[in-house]
Amino acid sequence: AQSVSQHNHHVILSEAASLELGCNYSYGGTVNLFWYVQYPGQHLQLLLKYFSGDPLVKGIKGFEAEFIKSKFSFNLRKPSVQWSDTAEYFCAARGYQKVTFGIGTKLQVIP
Amino acid sequence: DTGVSQNPRHKITKRGQNVTFRCDPISEHNRLYWYRQTLGQGPEFLTYFQNEAQLEKSRLLSDRFSAERPKGSFSTLEIQRTEQGDSAMYLCAWTRQDSYEQYFGPGTRLTVT
Repeated sequence: AQSVSQHNHHVILSEAASLELGCNYSYGGTVNLFWYVQYPGQHLQLLLKYFSGDPLVKGIKGFEAEFIKSKFSFNLRKPSVQWSDTAEYFCAARGYQKVTFGIGTKLQVIP
Repeated sequence: DTGVSQNPRHKITKRGQNVTFRCDPISEHNRLYWYRQTLGQGPEFLTYFQNEAQLEKSRLLSDRFSAERPKGSFSTLEIQRTEQGDSAMYLCAWTRQDSYEQYFGPGTRLTVT
């Protein structure tokens, strides 16, 4: 069965700190990977996606993620977080048709 | 604006009542998904439509749940004989035919008392 694991459920960082959120997936076939963000009071929005090609993908607002096939991982990174990055972040994987989401990581950035 | 509207935004109902939610995506020619999200969890897949055809249903979708997408445009999700465990945010999302990027609506928050 397809599954997505997010390792950190709640992360607190100071502004300008670097961010890395872990995501591992399990699926035997070709997989598409996504990171979504949900800002307080807003709907889910796509941050970035990986379908094929360069395993290092860049998204909006300075975020990037690296697909490491051998580790079944798709970790999200940002070199320097801002207070406005406070949000909940969801990793997701699409196998055949269904998209499976991780439990989410709440990021709190302290000014 | 993700091009998806959901109505109502909030619904409070008593246990045992039936409720219906509606999702209106921006375009008819796309896939439409329903998810359920409870506190502290990510969205859980319920079902999806390719145009008007319902192609997959999760085991989470008990017999009390039914979804339709007449004419491949808007979609409805009905829950019969609601239970307190049905309290959640119900999300609708759509994708273009040639993509799997999902555009989410604001959701309908259901509270069953």
